[in-house]
Amino acid sequence: AQSVTQLDSHVSVSEGTPVLLRCNYSSSYSPSLFWYVQHPNKGLQLLLKYTSAATLVKGINGFEAEFKKSETSFHLTKPSAHMSDAAEYFCVFPTGGFKTIFGAGTRLFVKA
Amino acid sequence: GAGVSQSPRYKVAKRGQDVALRCDPISGHVSLFWYQQALGQGPEFLTYFQNEAQLDKSGLPSDRFFAERPEGSVSTLKIQRTQQEDSAVYLCASSRTGAVGNEQFFGPGTRLTVL
Repeated sequence: AQSVTQLDSHVSVSEGTPVLLRCNYSSSYSPSLFWYVQHPNKGLQLLLKYTSAATLVKGINGFEAEFKKSETSFHLTKPSAHMSDAAEYFCVFPTGGFKTIFGAGTRLFVKA
Repeated sequence: GAGVSQSPRYKVAKRGQDVALRCDPISGHVSLFWYQQALGQGPEFLTYFQNEAQLDKSGLPSDRFFAERPEGSVSTLKIQRTQQEDSAVYLCASSRTGAVGNEQFFGPGTRLTVL
């Protein structure tokens, strides 16, 4: 069965330190994968997407993610957290059909 | 248009009432998705339209839920005889083409509270 798992429901970092949000997927084929961000009272926004062109994907606001087929992972990273990064992050798997699967989300807290 | 819009932004219904939630996608977008997001959870897929055709409704939780997009633009999600478990944020998203894996642009959602 196709699925996506976000390994941490909450992550807390200090401003200026690295961010790591973990996502693992399950699929019988190499999927497309996305990361979306949801700020409070705002709509979901695409951060970045992997579509097999390159395994290291750069997104907006300094975020990047690396697709690792051997580990079935697509972890999201940022070298230095900013207060404005505090939000909910979703790993998203558009399946081969029309259904799109969202992970449960990881809430990122950034401490001053 | 500037983006995906949804109305109303907030809806309070008494249990048993019918509600209708509207989505205005980005003009010209072929694909339209509806999701249900319960508190503290990720969005759950409800249904998908390609133009006016509803190609996937596998996520609709019961026959009380009905969606339409008659002219291939605006879509309405209708919930009949609302129940407390229907309380959630309902999100609409549109995508430029019908190709799988395109970026989806999301509206702000409609928060439905069923009392």
